[in-house]
Amino acid sequence: QGELVESGGGVVQPGRSVRLACVASGFTFRDYAMNWVRQAPGKGLEWVAVISSDGGNEYSIDSVRGRFTISRDNSKNTLFLQMNSLRPEDTAIYYCAREGRGASAANYLDYWGRGTLVTVSS
Amino acid sequence: EIVLTQSPATLSLSPGERATLSCRASQSVGSTLAWYQQKRGQAPRLVIYDTLTRAPGIPARFSGSGSGTHFTLTINNLEPEDFAVYYCQQRSNWPLTFGGGTKVEVK
Repeated sequence: QGELVESGGGVVQPGRSVRLACVASGFTFRDYAMNWVRQAPGKGLEWVAVISSDGGNEYSIDSVRGRFTISRDNSKNTLFLQMNSLRPEDTAIYYCAREGRGASAANYLDYWGRGTLVTVSS
Repeated sequence: EIVLTQSPATLSLSPGERATLSCRASQSVGSTLAWYQQKRGQAPRLVIYDTLTRAPGIPARFSGSGSGTHFTLTINNLEPEDFAVYYCQQRSNWPLTFGGGTKVEVK
């Protein structure tokens, strides 16, 4: 099975930074690409960023590119999201999610954490 | 980016009935579409991927169909635990995108 546990959320002022972490257990973390997906209060899902299993490739949506950085430490089974220059519209629950393996399952998110809430407000 | 439009926004049904949810893409995504279920206060759960493949542990009453730009999630004989919000997601083009969701509620 496996488990993903996010942390690092909270209330942060506009323009400030926060670093989210997601600790994985129960599966071989280094074998899987990982993603961040966010959900603004009462709204739908928005994919944010992905990082390859070895950390060598990453991609993110335009609205966060240059402000958010996805990274991972496979030795610690941990995924990160460094969020800089935060804006009120970044307020959301941030979920880490594992991608499926293999051609048919890649880029689908087969395992999700419970999320951590980031509120950007003065 | 590919825009996914889900309809209806809300589906009011009774347990035992059939739910039919629609997802339309702004351009063809082939068969590269998934469905997720999200219950209140919980993380999403993968239900269907590649249009018609059920994720592990998903009961057979869930089925997916479609191709190109029009996709359907069907839930036969609705069980109480099926009432939730359902999202479609495409992986044909970056960025990955989700539809706006369909809420299946108890009538």
